[in-house]
Amino acid sequence: DQQVKQNSPSLSVQEGRISILNCDYTNSMFDYFLWYKKYPAEGPTFLISISSIKDKNEDGRFTVFLNKSAKHLSLHIVPSQPGDSAVYFCAASGWGNKLVFGAGTILRVKS
Amino acid sequence: KAGVTQTPRYLIKTRGQQVTLSCSPISGHRSVSWYQQTPGQGLQFLFEYFSETQRNKGNFPGRFSGRQFSNSRSEMNVSTLELGDSALYLCASSFEQGTGTEAFFGQGTRLTVV
Repeated sequence: DQQVKQNSPSLSVQEGRISILNCDYTNSMFDYFLWYKKYPAEGPTFLISISSIKDKNEDGRFTVFLNKSAKHLSLHIVPSQPGDSAVYFCAASGWGNKLVFGAGTILRVKS
Repeated sequence: KAGVTQTPRYLIKTRGQQVTLSCSPISGHRSVSWYQQTPGQGLQFLFEYFSETQRNKGNFPGRFSGRQFSNSRSEMNVSTLELGDSALYLCASSFEQGTGTEAFFGQGTRLTVV
């Protein structure tokens, strides 16, 4: 069963505009959420995280929003840059460092 | 500060053989987790070690095993390799055990089983 879902396999955005990547989860025991960026044949790079006690966390161009009642989180990238083109993974954890990943969303930022 | 180091980067093995992959975590990190990435299954958790003890295990057969040394370095072993074991194997290190800690990944080891 997919406990973490990224329903959009891909997203295409114009440079300078906002990119919004979405993620849904089913397990209410998850209390920490992370976003990673990944290039082919490389390890994921940590971007930003959020605890379940918060509903928003910002770091530069990246903002993560968490809606616990809807079991939904989103990553906003503003403004989007061509170098942001990559696969973005949403991940969730409960106790311990086991991460459950979504299937990923391919982001293409067009210049 | 050096990142997570995985060796080797690439490996080709024959069915039935065994393989050992190595991971050196970020200095000061005591938790090491292993993940398998395949096109069909995505990123799947294998196991986590903290202070030389396996604390968490994913749904993989017993052919997949690991260990952690006193310096936090970890090794993962796969015995009796199958074609389906071909994947990118990723190691992640974290400072703490417990929720609310970012995991930092290495470059991965690309294993090809022929």
